[in-house]
Amino acid sequence: AQTVTQSQPEMSVQEAETVTLSCTYDTSENNYYLFWYKQPPSRQMILVIRQEAYKQQNATENRFSVNFQKAAKSFSLKISDSQLGDTAMYFCAFIRYNQGGKLIFGQGTELSVKP
Amino acid sequence: GAGVSQSPRYKVAKRGQDVALRCDPISGHVSLFWYQQALGQGPEFLTYFQNEAQLDKSGLPSDRFFAERPEGSVSTLKIQRTQQEDSAVYLCASSLANRGMNTEAFFGQGTRLTVV
Repeated sequence: AQTVTQSQPEMSVQEAETVTLSCTYDTSENNYYLFWYKQPPSRQMILVIRQEAYKQQNATENRFSVNFQKAAKSFSLKISDSQLGDTAMYFCAFIRYNQGGKLIFGQGTELSVKP
Repeated sequence: GAGVSQSPRYKVAKRGQDVALRCDPISGHVSLFWYQQALGQGPEFLTYFQNEAQLDKSGLPSDRFFAERPEGSVSTLKIQRTQQEDSAVYLCASSLANRGMNTEAFFGQGTRLTVV
């Protein structure tokens, strides 16, 4: 069975600084996808970034980038130039290739960006 | 609307009552998913539809939970004889392609169910 672990329940960062959120996962699969989702108080999950396991290049979306270490089964999210609007819960998630809808989520990290 | 719409946003049910939660996916989206998110936890998969076909219901916690999508668009999650442990946020998501979550999925704002 696949598992996703986020070991940081809470993180805080000063506005304009950089923060890294950690995620590790366990799987015997070779083909899969990894995601970071943001969940603000409105509860709506918003896709931040995704990574295909077969791609060696780390995904980047504006201020968000990942450090994907396939051998170590690690998938951390780096947020540069943190903004107050980045304050939210962040969830790491995994899905096997062609698994349909069964995303497996970590426990979440609550990020606070302080002015 | 432009996004996934869920109703009601909040529902309080007495223990033993039946409830029905509605999800309106983005128009034209083939895949639809339901997740349950307990307080302070990550969402957990309940079930997955491709059009009107329920391809995976392995996450439904008991036979009190039932989901349907009869015309391949709107979906309803029904919980019979609600119990306190059913209290959670129920999230719905949809995606355009028939490859499920492998393509970008868009989530609704969820229904917060409280069973008293």
